[in-house]
This record gives sequence, structure tokens and C-alpha cells, in this order.
Amino acid sequence: ETGVTQTPRHLVMGMTNKKSLKCEQHLGHNAMYWYKQSAKKPLELMFVYNFKEQTENNSVPSRFSPECPNSSHLFLHLHTLQPEDSALYLCASSQPGGTASTNEKLFFGSGTQLSVL
Amino acid sequence: QKEVEQNSGPLSVPEGAIASLNCTYSDRGSQSFFWYRQYSGKSPELIMFIYSNGDKEDGRFTAQLNKASQYVSLLIRDSQPSDSATYLCAVNPPGSSASKIIFGSGTRLSIRP
Repeated sequence: ETGVTQTPRHLVMGMTNKKSLKCEQHLGHNAMYWYKQSAKKPLELMFVYNFKEQTENNSVPSRFSPECPNSSHLFLHLHTLQPEDSALYLCASSQPGGTASTNEKLFFGSGTQLSVL
Repeated sequence: QKEVEQNSGPLSVPEGAIASLNCTYSDRGSQSFFWYRQYSGKSPELIMFIYSNGDKEDGRFTAQLNKASQYVSLLIRDSQPSDSATYLCAVNPPGSSASKIIFGSGTRLSIRP
């Protein structure tokens, strides 16, 4: 176990549904991330939170809405998704502010495999 | 133009041989380089990082960095079936935090018994 827990592991939803992905990290980190991983494509960074504040939004459609209530928890709220949003959604954390050897290391959760019908 | 390029594979290597995975990057000023291993259906796991030109060894793994040629490679000695996974190369532009890390698409490695 990597110290970053994601639920659910699998999610099937219709285009009109609303669902949420949850991520929790037990590593004492202060930065949390959402990535999207599609088949044969590089990991795509979606959102970054540092000390609960959103610092990056990589032009993600508004049907994805992140929430970070504290440094240990991160949510991704989903509504009116499209079939092309089907992918593996990975949460990660890191510890910013240290040396390059520490603040660049990403620790990933197991991901949520999302299928949009 | 892709910023971090990897051959998607699959790369098939016999058990006990050396597996060689390669990655090129476009930003000449990049300073931090990472290799993540991802088993099917699992999360990426950091296995090596390198900052300086040359070789860095950790057990059966050796990362090699050549900044002049803008490539980084990962060698796996004495390959085992458990090494079968997708290996992601990741590069960080100069002076950046983890949020700027750019990933390649990954190379799928298969170790045949």
C-alpha cells in the first residue's frame, strides 16, 4: 500500500449521473494531484492543490470539479460526463518545499477506473 | 511534438537478460528525471530518479542520463517475470515542482520465462 487510498476502485456511470471520487493520503504531504490516464497516452495532470489551495487547473472541463477540504483529502466531483472521459483517474501526493529530491517525488493511489456509458 | 518520448513496446526480453528502456525529452534545460513502474491495473510507483549525467545504480536497476543527447534510459539486469510492467519515463523542467512533471506514454516490458 502506497499511503494514498482511492475509492471507489471501479465506477460505471451514465452521462446524466453525478458521482464523486475520493482520495486520502496518510503520508503527511501538503500537495495533492488528480491525473487522468487513458490507454496509450501519457498521464495528464488535471488539478493541483498545495496546502488546500488549488494552484493548477490544466484547462479541465467544468464537468470535473475538485474539492480539497484539508491537506489529507481530495475529491473529484463528476457530473454529465462524456464517454471519452472513461479512463483511469489517479490521485497523487507529494511534499513541496523540501529539496528537489523530496518535493518532486509523486506517490500515487491505485486509481479509479471510470467507465461512462 | 511530444515532450517525453518512449517506444510503446511491447519489449520482450528473456528471463535473466538485460532489459533496456529508453526515453528522449525535448526540453534541454530539464534537470530531474524519473522512472515509474506500473503493473497492469495498479498505480505508478517510483523506482529510480537521476539528476546528474552518468549512471545511477540501485540493485538490479541502473538509470543512465545523457543531457547532451537528451536521453535517459533504464537498464534492468537479470530480468525476472515480476519485472513485466509498463515503465513510465518522467521529466521535470528546470526549477519546477512536481506539478510540472511531464510523463511519457510508457514502454510495456514483457519478460518471457
